[in-house]
Amino acid sequence: DAGVTQSPTHLIKTRGQQVTLRCSPKSGHDTVSWYQQALGQGPQFIFQYYEEEERQRGNFPDRFSGHQFPNYSSELNVNALLLGDSALYLCASSLEENTEAFFGQGTRLTVV
Amino acid sequence: LAKTTQPISMDSYEGQEVNITCSHNNIATNDYITWYQQFPSQGPRFIIQGYKTKVTNEVASLFIPADRKSSTLSLPRVSLSDTAVYYCLVGDDGPGFQKLVFGTGTRLLVSP
Repeated sequence: DAGVTQSPTHLIKTRGQQVTLRCSPKSGHDTVSWYQQALGQGPQFIFQYYEEEERQRGNFPDRFSGHQFPNYSSELNVNALLLGDSALYLCASSLEENTEAFFGQGTRLTVV
Repeated sequence: LAKTTQPISMDSYEGQEVNITCSHNNIATNDYITWYQQFPSQGPRFIIQGYKTKVTNEVASLFIPADRKSSTLSLPRVSLSDTAVYYCLVGDDGPGFQKLVFGTGTRLLVSP
């Protein structure tokens, strides 16, 4: 059973560009959450998708948007990239009735 | 969501028991306490969750006193591979704990 998979693993973008990150949840999981983790910090919640809709959102600007597909996979889009967007982006999947969230390995985004 | 306070770092040696204490003075009645482990360049991994008293699994034990204002994660006989960052989280999502609020965590270094 594959766990949470994210692609790509590493990415370098130029300031002002747009980026799309992808996540496939653990088999059977219907909820996907995205987190941003800056170097030396804990992960910060961006938003969560359930039944193809954004259910919760953290304190992130509208430049951060997402989507969930019928197969529960998800994308995170970031527009007008800033240097400060450089971070490890983590995807986590879960089931409402389960205790734990399963994280992927993350996508390391570097904005230059 | 209740704020948590943990030591920034801890050092130990192989074979020793490690106890990491987390303070959460403002924990609410519905809040659960959850611990995650994170290795460099990987996503966090669920370790254990509890509400009160003691919880034990194959990896760790979680001790929660009656007032629930603190909790202690106990790792028996640590090995070098337990070197990681450990996060204490408190929230009221309970089972299906989905919006996770991470602090800066405790960086545990296990030496030979």
